[in-house]
Amino acid sequence: AQKITQTQPGMFVQEKEAVTLDCTYDTSDPSYGLFWYKQPSSGEMIFLIYQGSYDQQNATEGRYSLNFQKARKSANLVISASQLGDSAMYFCAMREPHSGGYNKLIFGAGTRLAVHP
Amino acid sequence: EAQVTQNPRYLITVTGKKLTVTCSQNMNHEYMSWYRQDPGLGLRQIYYSMNVEVTDKGDVPEGYKVSRKEKRNFPLILESPSPNQTSLYFCASSPGTASYNEQFFGPGTRLTVL
Repeated sequence: AQKITQTQPGMFVQEKEAVTLDCTYDTSDPSYGLFWYKQPSSGEMIFLIYQGSYDQQNATEGRYSLNFQKARKSANLVISASQLGDSAMYFCAMREPHSGGYNKLIFGAGTRLAVHP
Repeated sequence: EAQVTQNPRYLITVTGKKLTVTCSQNMNHEYMSWYRQDPGLGLRQIYYSMNVEVTDKGDVPEGYKVSRKEKRNFPLILESPSPNQTSLYFCASSPGTASYNEQFFGPGTRLTVL
């Protein structure tokens, strides 16, 4: 079974509108971390936002917020007031304990977001 | 500037010709890792290193080797590259592997094996 599922291969949004990118995860461990990364066409991986499994409040970073629903095991990224520069691939990732004695980072397949003027 | 560097950024090679992709970080991070990114599959871990001289296989280690002789460097070696190793490769480092530790990524190396 996939650990991180991003069900939207591609999304379109109009400039200045909000958009939600979906992410569901699967873990039986109570302690884990959830991350979102942005990958523009230039290829680099840019860290956006982090949510800890014990955090009571949803994480926010500027125009990015994470809609964390623990019982549903979902960690959707919300981008408010989309900008043309938000066009990129977005990856959801989870850190969870691994048999190798460390917390491994596991990635979803990604969602490609296109922002239209 | 705190960063992870990779070289080369782009490489086209032929089947069987040994190559090394270098990775270096200046943040004194203990943990380093290599990933490959393929369409529809996200990033998959190739190898990781918890510290100097401590390396272990990730999810897709076949055809790759690594070494960690110094804390800052973690080269990826393809002894006999094959076309199925054509991919985008990322080196990453983090101060530890706690659930909250962010990974810092290098700029990526786009490899084509003909």
